[in-house]
Amino acid sequence: QSALTQPASVSGSPGQSITISCTGTSSDVGGYNYVSWYQQHPGKAPKLMIYEVSNRPSGISNRFSGSKSGNTASLTISGLQAEDESDYYCSSYTDSAVLFGGGTKLTVL
Amino acid sequence: EVQLVQSGAEVKKPGESLKISCKGSGYSFTTYWIAWVRQMPGKGLEWMGIIYPGDSDIRYSPSFQGQVTISDDKSISTAYLQWSSLKASDTAMYFCAAAGDFTRGFHYWGQGTLVTVSS
Repeated sequence: QSALTQPASVSGSPGQSITISCTGTSSDVGGYNYVSWYQQHPGKAPKLMIYEVSNRPSGISNRFSGSKSGNTASLTISGLQAEDESDYYCSSYTDSAVLFGGGTKLTVL
Repeated sequence: EVQLVQSGAEVKKPGESLKISCKGSGYSFTTYWIAWVRQMPGKGLEWMGIIYPGDSDIRYSPSFQGQVTISDDKSISTAYLQWSSLKASDTAMYFCAAAGDFTRGFHYWGQGTLVTVSS
């Protein structure tokens, strides 16, 4: 089981939209609609932002959205705000286990 | 309110044993999966394994099978992660996380336990 593949970094200006990709295989991302996305600020615990590909937990801004096509899932953040600057991790269910992506550092310019 | 409270930071020597804990409250302990996640310094999240206290179903990531032991004590709503012989490479932050159905992501997280292994 290899980690899911994410870009190491992305950046955007306030108000813009960015998308973070998460590529796996047909055994994980492509095989199940069980992709989640987490936000992690430095020194803090991760926070669930998206589950089951595109669902937002209660209290999560609708500026955050998720999608999937084949073996690649995506997290889109629209209307970027300074507070969105953070690390983002995707995860996927696979064969009774969970895989995480390597993480993406989002910088708000 | 669901809360997970982890035990405090530990400093250990290589070869020593260690057991860290994660106490759940605000929900029925036996109905939520609890996972353990490692984060080495400056690195990403790694899923180590998971336990379902309802029936003690335990699953390990292949990367951690045989390296750690996950267990629970339902009488005190607490899950554990333990090592029999620590290595310097076990130095990391360890998080526990809970979910009713872990395929749907982990909504609840502990604050993390920092384990430092150094001679």
